[in-house]
Amino acid sequence: DGGITQSPKYLFRKEGQNVTLSCEQNLNHDAMYWYRQDPGQGLRLIYYSQIVNDFQKGDIAEGYSVSREKKESFPLTVTSAQKNPTAFYLCASSWGAAKSYEQYFGPGTRLTVT
Amino acid sequence: AQTVTQSQPEMSVQEAETVTLSCTYDTSENNYYLFWYKQPPSRQMILVIRQEAYKQQNATENRFSVNFQKAAKSFSLKISDSQLGDTAMYFCAFMRYSGGGADGLTFGKGTHLIIQP
Repeated sequence: DGGITQSPKYLFRKEGQNVTLSCEQNLNHDAMYWYRQDPGQGLRLIYYSQIVNDFQKGDIAEGYSVSREKKESFPLTVTSAQKNPTAFYLCASSWGAAKSYEQYFGPGTRLTVT
Repeated sequence: AQTVTQSQPEMSVQEAETVTLSCTYDTSENNYYLFWYKQPPSRQMILVIRQEAYKQQNATENRFSVNFQKAAKSFSLKISDSQLGDTAMYFCAFMRYSGGGADGLTFGKGTHLIIQP
């Protein structure tokens, strides 16, 4: 089955530790995205990548880092510099103009930092 | 920068009724798409409908349709014959694109729609 996988579903970390969230897609999409969702809020863009080995900052990139070494994978690292890391994190991917840039979302990872 | 505003935090209607969710946006861009996403309690984001800004015709997908008013920067979603399974958070979203590809989505804060039996 084609789709987007995010692992794990729930993640717990101690304050001060870096943590990496996984996102893998087998849809052959060129572009991938990371969003953050807080209670009562819409999603906010953290980072996105339109091609391998290239990525751009979104609206709330501070305290996060990403890499795009393979087309299928776009891991997100939440660093200790992120002041409020507890949130629900969603990964998405999309084709280009031929498919109206429609984004497909993964199931999300709930990160809790204490 | 783009902004998306959803002015109705929560709405509740009876099953089989028609409901309209409001969305306004602000942009100076010419090339963009608008989307409505649904997020049920499972938290999976599901695309409901999309509208290309250069198309005047309003998009329709089965019971879901939009009223796109480009000059007014308004993009409302109408759900006809509402069903219990329509209960979810609904997000309006904006996406700018260019020859180099598309930026990420800019979302509104959402409308919690409750369909009562």
